[in-house]
Amino acid sequence: DQQVKQNSPSLSVQEGRISILNCDYTNSMFDYFLWYKKYPAEGPTFLISISSIKDKNEDGRFTVFLNKSAKHLSLHIVPSQPGDSAVYFCAASRRGSTLGRLYFGRGTQLTVWP
Amino acid sequence: EPEVTQTPSHQVTQMGQEVILRCVPISNHLYFYWYRQILGQKVEFLVSFYNNEISEKSEIFDDQFSVERPDGSNFTLKIRSTKLEDSAMYFCASMMGVAQPQHFGDGTRLSIL
Repeated sequence: DQQVKQNSPSLSVQEGRISILNCDYTNSMFDYFLWYKKYPAEGPTFLISISSIKDKNEDGRFTVFLNKSAKHLSLHIVPSQPGDSAVYFCAASRRGSTLGRLYFGRGTQLTVWP
Repeated sequence: EPEVTQTPSHQVTQMGQEVILRCVPISNHLYFYWYRQILGQKVEFLVSFYNNEISEKSEIFDDQFSVERPDGSNFTLKIRSTKLEDSAMYFCASMMGVAQPQHFGDGTRLSIL
């Protein structure tokens, strides 16, 4: 199942700089996208979401951009902080799945160094 | 902040035995889910549950699996006859309403020997 892909398994960024995490999807029926953060021994924690009717959603340091024509979304974290170091998962759900079954990417390990 | 609670955090079981994983979803949420993550693989959907019945299940969720909401607060996943390949992290999630984010518990690590 490769409907949601995160092609970068890891990303290393200096504190204060921007972190950009990328996600691609193949299913054009997806209309709701989410980013989750996961620390070891914890469950995924919801960060931010975007509906397919928008191309940008912002919440504090976190912004998600959606490019529907490219089937691509990205998460920007500005400024990055050491506490942001975690695995970030992209997830999507599709029209017709009203109860929101999520399809996950493999995750990107973000490391923010001082 | 309300959270999804899962017990136990780690379950070790002999192959062929039954296991029940327990979850307490967020109290005003109406939609409930189980996912699993086998080591090194993606988080995979198992089942969704609404209005006291299964609304969707994946191909993984075969006859050995069942879910139940026995009372107003608990949501359980039962695996009837465990196999080695059932070893995984199992996550429960709940959601308040349609097109809302799902909130996850910290998971139960299931180890089948």
